[in-house]
Amino acid sequence: SQTIHQWPATLVQPVGSPLSLECTVEGTSNPNLYWYRQAAGRGLQLLFYSVGIGQISSEVPQNLSASRPQDRQFILSSKKLLLSDSGFYLCAWSAGVSSYNEQFFGPGTRLTVL
Amino acid sequence: GQQVMQIPQYQHVQEGEDFTTYCNSSTTLSNIQWYKQRPGGHPVFLIQLVKSGEVKKQKRLTFQFGEAKKNSSLHITATQTTDVGTYFCAGGDDFNKFYFGSGTKLNVKP
Repeated sequence: SQTIHQWPATLVQPVGSPLSLECTVEGTSNPNLYWYRQAAGRGLQLLFYSVGIGQISSEVPQNLSASRPQDRQFILSSKKLLLSDSGFYLCAWSAGVSSYNEQFFGPGTRLTVL
Repeated sequence: GQQVMQIPQYQHVQEGEDFTTYCNSSTTLSNIQWYKQRPGGHPVFLIQLVKSGEVKKQKRLTFQFGEAKKNSSLHITATQTTDVGTYFCAGGDDFNKFYFGSGTKLNVKP
């Protein structure tokens, strides 16, 4: 069966510090991978989307970046965090080639920037 | 860019009452998905609708996709306390990207 992992679960970082969040998927190959951010009490904002290794689509211009160094690994990074980067970061995957594109979400990382 | 609007933002109901949340897209969607997020948790997939005018049921939940594939609704009949959570719609385009609505937070009073 497929599983998706995210770490860390919670993170408190000072403004201006770097960020690296990791997401890995097991039990599937060539998945579509997504990074979302959810502000407190709000909806999910699509940040990045990837259909394959090294292929990243950015949805929102910001100080965040994403990379996909391996088929089932998706990394969200920042060189300098802003206060507005606080939120709940969710990684998700869906089948790469399918008309039925259910997304499976990881447990998320709660990031607080102070 | 594509936008998916969802109303209402909050809904408080007495247990046993019905509940409906609505989604509207600024563009025609390839498909629409619905998710439920319990407090403190992550979104969990409920269903996907693909065809124009499609209606699907899951026990007390009824999902509809509009004829123009621009709107959708989720209706819960006779709510229970286990229905508490935030319900999101997610509009899909032809490239497997999804745009989530802002969600409707449902609170059910016993």
